[in-house]
Amino acid sequence: LAKTTQPISMDSYEGQEVNITCSHNNIATNDYITWYQQFPSQGPRFIIQGYKTKVTNEVASLFIPADRKSSTLSLPRVSLSDTAVYYCLVGDIISSGSARQLTFGSGTQLTVLP
Amino acid sequence: KAGVTQTPRYLIKTRGQQVTLSCSPISGHRSVSWYQQTPGQGLQFLFEYFSETQRNKGNFPGRFSGRQFSNSRSEMNVSTLELGDSALYLCASSLARTSGGVPDTQYFGPGTRLTVL
Repeated sequence: LAKTTQPISMDSYEGQEVNITCSHNNIATNDYITWYQQFPSQGPRFIIQGYKTKVTNEVASLFIPADRKSSTLSLPRVSLSDTAVYYCLVGDIISSGSARQLTFGSGTQLTVLP
Repeated sequence: KAGVTQTPRYLIKTRGQQVTLSCSPISGHRSVSWYQQTPGQGLQFLFEYFSETQRNKGNFPGRFSGRQFSNSRSEMNVSTLELGDSALYLCASSLARTSGGVPDTQYFGPGTRLTVL
């Protein structure tokens, strides 16, 4: 499973756009990139997933360059409630039989200030 | 559609005891995975069940076990509890598509906070 590297923490202000970049230099051809959000004492919540170029949903955008060695999660106009830990994961169906094991890194603690 | 539910939400046990945690996946989801989260080790994969069979296992001792029932509900058991087992135990479910190339999305429950005294 590809190892990911993210900033440990980031601060932002309400209303700003936040971009969190994740490095995954040894990403494999079949790997997808997935981002989760986690609030204290809660389970991670799926945000977005992509393979290449750009993916957008109602809460975020995911930008993936052509070499796929990094990805950027973009959160538009953050609010105080977006303060959470954000995890970048890279992986695919494990060849041993369609099982999928998520490997979480340390994540990025995003703090949104008023 | 209801999300993943876990019971109980909080649990206090003493060393040497055993504990059973329960997880009900999202309706229609066939795969259930368990994770342990601690401040020191972060989120770590325990095991995954599909069709009542353990398909994948993380690097945890045999004191950690699980099972899945025919309705996809899952239980996790920890025997001979140690202080270091204090953690948030998370369950995640997914559809477990076996074709299409796009990985399943795993949806997490709120977790069970286990405290071992």
